[in-house]
Amino acid sequence: DAGVIQSPRHEVTEMGQEVTLRCKPISGHNSLFWYRQTMMRGLELLIYFNNNVPIDDSGMPEDRFSAKMPNASFSTLKIQPSEPRDSAVYFCASSLRNNSPLHFGNGTRLTVT
Amino acid sequence: ELKVEQNPLFLSMQEGKNYTIYCNYSTTSDRLYWYRQDPGKSLESLFVLLSNGAVKQEGRLMASLDTKARLSTLHITAAVHDLSATYFCAGGLGGATNKLIFGTGTLLAVQP
Repeated sequence: DAGVIQSPRHEVTEMGQEVTLRCKPISGHNSLFWYRQTMMRGLELLIYFNNNVPIDDSGMPEDRFSAKMPNASFSTLKIQPSEPRDSAVYFCASSLRNNSPLHFGNGTRLTVT
Repeated sequence: ELKVEQNPLFLSMQEGKNYTIYCNYSTTSDRLYWYRQDPGKSLESLFVLLSNGAVKQEGRLMASLDTKARLSTLHITAAVHDLSATYFCAGGLGGATNKLIFGTGTLLAVQP
């Protein structure tokens, strides 16, 4: 199993540009999570999906952030327009069922200048 | 709202010594997870604790859960340098969700 696959690994962009982060969960997992990690705020849950349906997006910081999961094998997190304070490592994770551990991808390091 | 706190935030210890990392959570949580993160890397699942009194061990690490005290501990026995990493605990909110709230993390540095 290839694990959770995220792309790109690194993204550098200028303020105001649109950024799209991509995630392929582990096959068969029915829950998908997007987390953001910064030194100041630690690991924050942004949004999660069960069976491709968004369940809780209360962690999405602003309307500039949006997430989709069009099918069981793909999800995107989009930031439009991006701002320097969005700079962070964004992790995608998936899990098989309740009480199962989350399996994390390698993350996307986003730098907005 | 579930809040998860860890202490200490930073732990420097010598090889061969024992120590414990503490994880407190604010409201009822039906499961507790421990993760390890190496610098610049992803998070790796270490333990899943699902019931009061649960104890799990892997090598030099042992995790336990006391749901009445809302406390989990990660005990390190005879530390070695390879254990240097950041350790996170995360509480589950229960019900039909697998939503996890993470603690602040404990940066462990094991000195030779």
